[in-house]
Amino acid sequence: DIVMTQSPDSLAVSLGERATINCKSSQSVLYKSNNKKYLAWYQQKAGQPPKLLIYWASTRESGVPDRFSGSGSGTDFTLTISSLQAEDVAVYYCQQYYSTAVTFGQGTKVEIK
Amino acid sequence: QVQLVESGGGLVKPGGSLRLSCAASGFTFSDYYMSWIRQAPGKGLEWVSYISSGGSTINYADSVKGRFTISRDNSKNTLYLQMNSLTDDDTAVYYCARGRGTSCLDYWGQGTLVSVSS
Repeated sequence: DIVMTQSPDSLAVSLGERATINCKSSQSVLYKSNNKKYLAWYQQKAGQPPKLLIYWASTRESGVPDRFSGSGSGTDFTLTISSLQAEDVAVYYCQQYYSTAVTFGQGTKVEIK
Repeated sequence: QVQLVESGGGLVKPGGSLRLSCAASGFTFSDYYMSWIRQAPGKGLEWVSYISSGGSTINYADSVKGRFTISRDNSKNTLYLQMNSLTDDDTAVYYCARGRGTSCLDYWGQGTLVSVSS
């Protein structure tokens, strides 16, 4: 299985500041035939199901604020929250769907400093 | 609007069985892949299984292969997960989610709690 490793496990950021979450895959999730990166990001607030934020590594889901952005190469990916808001407190997960055995990162908890 | 409502969770003894259901509405159920994902208390997300729109393609995580069976009834807009030989490690909230093919999961239900304990 492809192992997804997120860093850090948690971070505290001041309101209005930038938050950066990293996700590393144990093998490339770039499908060369279509040049697509098979990676998504989800946000899970306390007591709620996950919500899709980003897919194909950098495509923002409809309705997701533009302060959320995704980037990365074949194995190293980043979710950036450009200006942290109070409602962004949550756990964030990356997910690869390159392999038929879908796997998630362990999650990164984002809090307000 | 898209709605996914899971049911069937509960307390079961080790070795027991349980059948989860996920009732879908607000979209053409038969057009979409569907998945089950679980989350143990205080832990991260673990993909369990997915099934293609027509039911011909199915995959399972190694942790549940041979014990769990995913199925769907497109006439009833319902997804199922039959869980047998349950162990403590299967204790989790089980979510159903709509898939965009085999890619990302764009809508999730609220989940149903399965507790395995003697």
